[in-house]
Order: sequence, then structure tokens, then C-alpha cells
Amino acid sequence: DSGVTQTPKHLITATGQRVTLRCSPRSGDLSVYWYQQSLDQGLQFLIQYYNGEERAKGNILERFSAQQFPDLHSELNLSSLELGDSALYFCASSTPGGSQETQYFGPGTRLLVL
Amino acid sequence: EDQVTQSPEALRLQEGESSSLNCSYTVSGLRGLFWYRQDPGKGPEFLFTLYSAGEEKEKERLKATLTKKESFLHITAPKPEDSATYLCAVQGYNNNDMRFGAGTRLTVKP
Repeated sequence: DSGVTQTPKHLITATGQRVTLRCSPRSGDLSVYWYQQSLDQGLQFLIQYYNGEERAKGNILERFSAQQFPDLHSELNLSSLELGDSALYFCASSTPGGSQETQYFGPGTRLLVL
Repeated sequence: EDQVTQSPEALRLQEGESSSLNCSYTVSGLRGLFWYRQDPGKGPEFLFTLYSAGEEKEKERLKATLTKKESFLHITAPKPEDSATYLCAVQGYNNNDMRFGAGTRLTVKP
């Protein structure tokens, strides 16, 4: 158990809909990262938040947005969903400091868009 | 742009048959190279971080090594429970994110 929690575990929805995925980082971690993993793409970095502020952006679509709240939990909002958005979405957290930051991953949310 | 290539894509071993997985990388200033293990439908589980050439780390049957261009994950006398996908990732000084390779899917037969 990494200490990172994600809800819900599974989500089934229809095209055009909007969903919200939630992540609680490990105790003491200030950074939260969101990743998408699909069968043909592997793990793709979406976005990072650090202590409430956006810090880095990867291959995140304009239909997707995220935020990190004062209690450090984060939410990833996916809107106007398409079939191709079906994937596993992972959240990771890390503690800043040192020459590198090891990221610890949550169990993921499996999203199925029908 | 940072790049990570893992080989082989898949590896089938007999229990006890040692082997190595390769991770080749290009990055502008390496902050860290990471190895993760991922079981189907689950989140990646952290194994090792390496950040300078020549560094080695061990954990049970696994040993990770690092050069300036690649990293190896050596698996000694593997057991069926070592079956998983092993992911390599790099973090450069120009990025806050990690760039992942496609992974090596390891199957260990009893």
C-alpha cells in the first residue's frame, strides 16, 4: 500500500458526459501528479500540482482540468468524454527535496466510456 | 526531448532462470532513473531510484544498475510471483514529470 488513495475504483459513463476523479496524496506529500494509461499509449503524464499550484503540464487535453485543494487532495475533471478517453487514470504523490523526487502511485481509477 | 526505450517487450523465463531487462534513455540532465513494478490493473509499485552512473541498488532477487545511457534490472533466480510488467522512467532537470518506457512484461513459469 503506497498511501495514495483514489476514488472511485471504477467508473462507467457515456460519451459527452463529465466525470471527476479524486486523489488523496500520502501524508506529508505536497506534489500530486496525474497520469493516463491506455493499452496503446503506456503511462502518459497529464499534469502536476504542488501545494495548490499548477507546476507542470504534459499531454493533457483542453477537455481535462485538475485542481489541488488546501487539504492537498486533488481532483481531475474530464468533460465531453469520448470513447478514446477510456483508460486507467493514476494519481501519484511525492515529497519535494533532494536531487530527485520519487513518485508513489495510487491504485488508479478505471474509466470506461460507452 | 526525454526518451525511454525498454527491451525486450516481453520475456518468458523458467523459475530459477536469471535474466536482465534493459532501459535505454536520453535525457538532458538526469535527476533520477526509476524502476517500478506493475501488476495488471494496479498502480505502479516503486522499486528503485538511481541517479548517478555506477550506482547499484538491490532488493531481494532484483538488482538495478545505471550507466550514462542505460539501466539494467537483473533478476536472479526468479519465482512465479515476480511475474509483472516492469517500468522504467527518467526525470530530467528540465522537467518535473517522469517519462516512462513502455515496459517489459515478465512471465516466470514454475
